[in-house]
Amino acid sequence: DGGITQSPKYLFRKEGQNVTLSCEQNLNHDAMYWYRQDPGQGLRLIYYSQIVNDFQKGDIAEGYSVSREKKESFPLTVTSAQKNPTAFYLCATARDRGSPLHFGNGTRLTVT
Amino acid sequence: GQQLNQSPQSMFIQEGEDVSMNCTSSSIFNTWLWYKQDPGEGPVLLIALYKAGELTSNGRLTAQFGITRKDSFLNISASIPSDVGIYFCAGQRTGNQFYFGTGTSLTVIP
Repeated sequence: DGGITQSPKYLFRKEGQNVTLSCEQNLNHDAMYWYRQDPGQGLRLIYYSQIVNDFQKGDIAEGYSVSREKKESFPLTVTSAQKNPTAFYLCATARDRGSPLHFGNGTRLTVT
Repeated sequence: GQQLNQSPQSMFIQEGEDVSMNCTSSSIFNTWLWYKQDPGEGPVLLIALYKAGELTSNGRLTAQFGITRKDSFLNISASIPSDVGIYFCAGQRTGNQFYFGTGTSLTVIP
């Protein structure tokens, strides 16, 4: 079954802890993206990757880190340096840089 | 980063009515996309537009790529309860990232 899997669906962490969100795809897409969504706002780009072992910062990369060691996987780490980490995080993939984005079902992170 | 202006912010309509929403940008885009998002889920792609003036349909949905390349429109005909959700537009200049609108929240009253 082809698709994009984000896990877990809900994540709770204490302030000061790093946390890693998982994104796996079996669509054989080259490009992968992480977006952050806050209530009443559009999606904002955190990081993206066009090929394995390469990634670029988006508009709001501060306090986040990523890796792309495999084509299928693009995990996002929310570090303790991120001032307002509570949000809905969406992973997306695209066949290539100019193709439409396809989204996973998101991870809702709550930090208290 | 750039965010697109989407209007209206919210709509409350009776079942069976038609819906129109639009998205505007200060920049020219080469691709416009429209997505629908249900609560707690990821956005689902509805329509992709690649050419100025293009009009594309997907069932009861019709979207247009504005002639100026700075706007796009989405129409939903004969709305039904399952149309409820948030609709997002997204624009891209070739080779660059996609920029998203702030969303239009649609409520359909049976």
